[in-house]
Amino acid sequence: AQSVTQLGSHVSVSEGALVLLRCNYSSSVPPYLFWYVQYPNQGLQLLLKYTSAATLVKGINGFEAEFKKSETSFHLTKPSAHMSDAAEYFCAVSEGSGGSNYKLTFGKGTLLTVNP
Amino acid sequence: ETGVTQTPRHLVMGMTNKKSLKCEQHLGHNAMYWYKQSAKKPLELMFVYSLEERVENNSVPSRFSPECPNSSHLFLHLHTLQPEDSALYLCASSQGAGTSGRDTQYFGPGTRLTVL
Repeated sequence: AQSVTQLGSHVSVSEGALVLLRCNYSSSVPPYLFWYVQYPNQGLQLLLKYTSAATLVKGINGFEAEFKKSETSFHLTKPSAHMSDAAEYFCAVSEGSGGSNYKLTFGKGTLLTVNP
Repeated sequence: ETGVTQTPRHLVMGMTNKKSLKCEQHLGHNAMYWYKQSAKKPLELMFVYSLEERVENNSVPSRFSPECPNSSHLFLHLHTLQPEDSALYLCASSQGAGTSGRDTQYFGPGTRLTVL
């Protein structure tokens, strides 16, 4: 069975500071990994995804994530936070193969606050 | 309209009411999903339809009844709900289901349901 752990339900940074949101996963098969963002009163929007190509994945809005198999991690980073980055971020995993490989398992989310 | 739309955006209902949530995708996708998002809990997959056939029913109570009349529309019929069913209900679509775990799921804005 696959699972996702997001360390820290709430992260607060200053505008211009580094953003680091942590995600660890477990999967019995090679995974596909996703980061989604949810702004208030909106649905989830894909930021980026890892599909077994390059381990460093670049996404929208200046975010990137690195797949580290040895650490079973897929942490999300952004060099310089902007006020508009304030939102909730979700890490998700799906299995790369198998009968139910469309199933996305989500973490509980990390709320990012950006202080002026 | 583009992407995935959901109506209504907000719904308040009593426990004896019957109501329906509607989702429409304008992306030409073949799979559609219902998720429940409750506070402090990970997103829960409820139902999956692929090519209008239900391929997943994730132990959801029978007071939730999905319907997928075609690949662009998905409904969630609600009856005799409980207060603990209050949540944000998200619809999503993807190009395929069960074919590739790498498929991105595109989410609608959700329906905020309150059961009194």
